[in-house]
Amino acid sequence: ILNVEQSPQSLHVQEGDSTNFTCSFPSSNFYALHWYRWETAKSPEALFVMTLNGDEKKKGRISATLNTKEGYSYLYIKGSQPEDSATYLCAYNAGNNRKLIWGLGTSLGVNP
Amino acid sequence: DTEVTQTPKHLVMGMTNKKSLKCEQHMGHRAMYWYKQKAKKPPELMFVYSYEKLSINESVPSRFSPECPNSSLLNLHLHALQPEDSALYLCASSQIAGPHTDTQYFGPGTRLTVL
Repeated sequence: ILNVEQSPQSLHVQEGDSTNFTCSFPSSNFYALHWYRWETAKSPEALFVMTLNGDEKKKGRISATLNTKEGYSYLYIKGSQPEDSATYLCAYNAGNNRKLIWGLGTSLGVNP
Repeated sequence: DTEVTQTPKHLVMGMTNKKSLKCEQHMGHRAMYWYKQKAKKPPELMFVYSYEKLSINESVPSRFSPECPNSSLLNLHLHALQPEDSALYLCASSQIAGPHTDTQYFGPGTRLTVL
């Protein structure tokens, strides 16, 4: 059974704080790691697709790193804003197909 | 247009009803997906269509019947559902650039309640 784990389950930060959370996945048979952002009552929004060990991707104040050998990815948010409040989900491709195995997400709340 | 639309937003149905969920995209994507999501659980893949053909069926009960009439539309026909089928049903689409690197674009979901 393949497991994707995310931590912490939830956190609250103050506006302006920087924060990061973790996605852990099996290191064997790795193909890709996806990060999504899901705001309440909206569609999940794709942030990054990462495939190579050591990959770093950035989109505005959000960035992500990937370590496929040890099976983890970090998502960083610099200078959190209230509009960053959402659930951040990671999903892992364990095979050469379109099936994603999802974590439970990290729920982020940013207090103004 | 980078939007995936789903109708209806909410649906309440009895166990003997027949209803359909609809999903539409106009991004030229040739892969489309149905997911089921229960509270506090991750999205659970149900079906994948590639080039309008069913390519993945995750052992979904036959009371759920997918249909892809053309490259822009995806339907999920529902019949004789059980209360435990109540969930958020998400549709997604992606280009067929690479099977494991396709970014999936999601609709907002249909919240289904089975009485």
